[in-house]
Amino acid sequence: QQQVKQSPQSLIVQKGGISIINCAYENTAFDYFPWYQQFPGKGPALLIAIRPDVSEKKEGRFTISFNKSAKQFSLHIMDSQPGDSATYFCAASKSYSGYSTLTFGKGTMLLVSP
Amino acid sequence: DTEVTQTPKHLVMGMTNKKSLKCEQHMGHRAMYWYKQKAKKPPELMFVYSYEKLSINESVPSRFSPECPNSSLLNLHLHALQPEDSALYLCASSPLGSGEKLFFGSGTQLSVL
Repeated sequence: QQQVKQSPQSLIVQKGGISIINCAYENTAFDYFPWYQQFPGKGPALLIAIRPDVSEKKEGRFTISFNKSAKQFSLHIMDSQPGDSATYFCAASKSYSGYSTLTFGKGTMLLVSP
Repeated sequence: DTEVTQTPKHLVMGMTNKKSLKCEQHMGHRAMYWYKQKAKKPPELMFVYSYEKLSINESVPSRFSPECPNSSLLNLHLHALQPEDSALYLCASSPLGSGEKLFFGSGTQLSVL
């Protein structure tokens, strides 16, 4: 059972455009929702994250929108640049004493054309 | 130092070989993780160590054997692997009180022949 659903699978955006990636979750026990960016041959890097009691968080060109009642969250990349071309994973985290577990979406391959 | 360092970066091994993957962090994080990532797929959790004790084993085959010798080091010992075990193996760590912020290393790309 896939607990975090992510769409689209791939996305092509022109330079300067807005990239939007959507995720939905099922388990209400999740308590933190990070987005990871991964370049080929590298490990995932934490991009931005949000807690479920916040509806929006913005860091530079990256914004997370969170809808707790709908159990959905999304990543908006404003003024998309070719350097943003990467695979993006949404995730949902569940905290335990001393560690947490991440459930990832299937990923979105973003290509920003020059 | 805000890095999780993994060695080697690439590894090719036969099905009868024994090898080890190493992971090191000096951020004082007390939780460390092994993930496996196949091409074009998300990372999948294998093991979690908290305070150098194994907290989670996600039903990983015994040919993968984790070890946490101290709070900075995490090893993954490999023995009698199968070709389908070829993948990117990622180590991660997280600080206490903020366990959801996982910091990943660049991974070891493993090929089993």
